[in-house]
Amino acid sequence: DSGVTQTPKHLITATGQRVTLRCSPRSGDLSVYWYQQSLDQGLQFLIQYYNGEERAKGNILERFSAQQFPDLHSELNLSSLELGDSALYFCASSVEGAGQETQYFGPGTRLLVL
Amino acid sequence: AQKITQTQPGMFVQEKEAVTLDCTYDTSDQSYGLFWYKQPSSGEMIFLIYQGSYDEQNATEGRYSLNFQKARKSANLVISASQLGDSAMYFCAMRAGGTSYGKLTFGQGTILTVHP
Repeated sequence: DSGVTQTPKHLITATGQRVTLRCSPRSGDLSVYWYQQSLDQGLQFLIQYYNGEERAKGNILERFSAQQFPDLHSELNLSSLELGDSALYFCASSVEGAGQETQYFGPGTRLLVL
Repeated sequence: AQKITQTQPGMFVQEKEAVTLDCTYDTSDQSYGLFWYKQPSSGEMIFLIYQGSYDEQNATEGRYSLNFQKARKSANLVISASQLGDSAMYFCAMRAGGTSYGKLTFGQGTILTVHP
């Protein structure tokens, strides 16, 4: 158990809908990262937050947004869902979000868009 | 830009034998870190081992060791005394400096199957 929690574990929804994925980092970690794992794209970095502020952005679609709250939990919002958004979404956390810290991953949320 | 290449889509090993999973990387940064993660069929990503670009010794963590050859830009994972529970997907990842901050760049992964 990495100490990172993600809810829900599974999510099935329809095209055009909007969903919210939730992540709680390990105790003491200030930085949260979101990754998407799909069969065609592999594991891709989406976005990073540090202590409530966006720090780095990757290949995140405009339909996707994220935020980190004062209690340090983070939410990833996916809207106008398409079939191609079906993937495993990981949240990871680290202490400072800089240097060569290890990122610890949550169990992931498996999203299926029908 | 950073790039990780894992050229072995699948590897097979007999239980109790050692196996090497290949990883090559490309970056122009002088400071970077290399990570290996394990992803069992259940889906979670488990951190295994880390090697910093300035580390002079190869990293070891129990049965895992990292064969770091900086000049060749390779960071191969060696698993000794393989166990059935080692069957999983293995990902090599890199984190470089500069404005990429915490971003991890992953390879495509290698599926390891351990035979009894």
